[in-house]
Amino acid sequence: KAGVTQTPRYLIKTRGQQVTLSCSPISGHRSVSWYQQTPGQGLQFLFEYFSETQRNKGNFPGRFSGRQFSNSRSEMNVSTLELGDSALYLCASSGGEGSGELFFGEGSRLTVL
Amino acid sequence: GQNIDQPTEMTATEGAIVQINCTYQTSGFNGLFWYQQHAGEAPTFLSYNVLDGLEEKGRFSSFLSRSKGYSYLLLKELQMKDSASYLCAVRDPQAGGSYIPTFGRGTSLIVHP
Repeated sequence: KAGVTQTPRYLIKTRGQQVTLSCSPISGHRSVSWYQQTPGQGLQFLFEYFSETQRNKGNFPGRFSGRQFSNSRSEMNVSTLELGDSALYLCASSGGEGSGELFFGEGSRLTVL
Repeated sequence: GQNIDQPTEMTATEGAIVQINCTYQTSGFNGLFWYQQHAGEAPTFLSYNVLDGLEEKGRFSSFLSRSKGYSYLLLKELQMKDSASYLCAVRDPQAGGSYIPTFGRGTSLIVHP
């Protein structure tokens, strides 16, 4: 069973630009959640999508948005990039059964210059 | 909201036992997870506790006391490969049966020969 796949793995942008990150969940998983990981703040919840609907949202500004497609693949977008957006962005999928453990992708490392 | 505290860094010797503590203050609670994250890799699931008590899985055990807002992860017979960051996460129930996970900042464990 293939794991969670995130693309691109690394990217460099400049302030003011926008970026789109992609996540393909484990086959059959309908829940996809996104996280920002930085050394100072740790792993912080951005939002969660389930069956193409945003089900929960963390405390991030509106510059951070996402969507989920009918095949459960998800994208997140960050507009008007700021230096502080430099981070590892992790996507996780969950089947929703049992403990609801999260299966993480390896992340997209974004550097904003 | 949730507040989760865990030590920033711990060191231990190969073959020894180490206990990583996690305390939490929550507005809601529906389970506590431990994840392991090696440098440059995705977090991977270790354990899940929703009821008080000890859950054992091989060399790793996790304990939960809901009344005290306290959990620990116990690692026995430490190996060099156990050097990693250990993330404590509390699941906060939301309307509609969904959950938002809140992560601690992680405990970096260094295992020495």
